[in-house]
Amino acid sequence: DIQMTQSPSSLSASVGDRVTITCRASQSISKYLNWYQQKPGKAPKLLIYVASSLPSGVPSRFSGSGSGTDFTLTISSLQPEDFATYYCQQSNSIPRITFGPGTKVDIK
Amino acid sequence: EVQLLESGGGLVQPGGSLRLSCAASGFIFSNTAMSWVRQAPGKGLEWVSAISGSGGSTDYADSVKGRFTISRDNSKNTLYMQMNSLRAEDTAVYYCAKLDSSGYYPEHWGQGTLVTVSS
Repeated sequence: DIQMTQSPSSLSASVGDRVTITCRASQSISKYLNWYQQKPGKAPKLLIYVASSLPSGVPSRFSGSGSGTDFTLTISSLQPEDFATYYCQQSNSIPRITFGPGTKVDIK
Repeated sequence: EVQLLESGGGLVQPGGSLRLSCAASGFIFSNTAMSWVRQAPGKGLEWVSAISGSGGSTDYADSVKGRFTISRDNSKNTLYMQMNSLRAEDTAVYYCAKLDSSGYYPEHWGQGTLVTVSS
């Protein structure tokens, strides 16, 4: 099975900060990497698919990059509504998708 | 608008059974692969199972294989998960998810239903 890791596991940031989260796969997954945002008590929400594509309605301050085993999610200017937990997820071994352990972003 | 509404969660004793349902609307259900993903309290997301649009192809995480059965009724636009021989470690919020058109990732999620396995 493909294992996913994320770093950091948590971070504290201020509104307006640039935030970068890293995700690494245990083997190459090409561009089959997706990102989700989850707020407490809510379902996850798709943020980025196929490494760098934004679904309709997702603000442009979110961006994704990477291929192979190393990927990043960047929030260019953190907004109050962005404080949440972020998960990466690989789709290379469908239907057996796997998620990273999550990165919690909270207020400094 | 895509809507996914899970139901059927609750408190069950170890060794017991439960059936979850997910009522879908806003898309052509019979053309769409679906998954169940769970989240234990305070923990991350874990893929549980997936089923093709026709229902002819299914897959399960090793942690639930042989105990859980995913199915669908395309005439009712409803996804199911039959859970047998439940264990304490199955305690989680269970989400149903609509996969994208290629079946690569969950693009829409329900609100989840809580399953608690405890005596």
